Amino acid sequence: AQKVTQAQTEISVVEKEDVTLDCVYETRDTTYYLFWYKQPPSRELVFLIRRNSFDEQNEISGRYSWNFQKSTSSFNFTITASQVVDSAVYFCALSDSSTGGFKTIFGAGTRLFVKA
Amino acid sequence: KAGVTQTPRYLIKTRGQQVTLSCSPISGHRSVSWYQQTPGQGLQFLFEYFSETQRNKGNFPGRFSGRQFSNSRSEMNVSTLELGDSALYLCASSPGLNQPQHFGDGTRLSIL
Repeated sequence: AQKVTQAQTEISVVEKEDVTLDCVYETRDTTYYLFWYKQPPSRELVFLIRRNSFDEQNEISGRYSWNFQKSTSSFNFTITASQVVDSAVYFCALSDSSTGGFKTIFGAGTRLFVKA
Repeated sequence: KAGVTQTPRYLIKTRGQQVTLSCSPISGHRSVSWYQQTPGQGLQFLFEYFSETQRNKGNFPGRFSGRQFSNSRSEMNVSTLELGDSALYLCASSPGLNQPQHFGDGTRLSIL
């Protein structure tokens, strides 16, 4: 079955704190793609990162970093030194062909509040 | 480069009516996907089109349909509207399979 679980519904932190958003996925495919998207308040979803199933290398981009672990089927996202502008809903997504033809399934999202 | 454009932005309909939503993808993008976003269900996949062919469909009733034109523009249609169809409908385009998607602002549909 194809599934993405973001267990954290809402997270509230104070500016400059580090925060990790969890994402656990399920798939029968050996070839799949994982994504993170950000949806600021009243704004469109914005792509952040894509990982394919053969690339477990962690990635850092500025204050953002991603930890992909196939052994635990997780693709977690960490924001270092959070800022108020990071306040948004963050979605983890999985694209695979387990249902016949690739389609993208999104997690329920984690709403992040960063307080000044 | 212009982003994904969805029209209209807001729509109010009554039960039993039908509605057509439009999406213009980013120039050069041949894949268009549609999603329904609600507070309770989150983002749910409706369908995806590539080169005028529907490649995949989510678990929605047949009242939901779509199509893609030769210029990659896409429309989705919902017939016999129900109260539960009230949602934000998002369109996303990408250059191809498993590529990052670029989302439009959505069409907010309210059913009275």
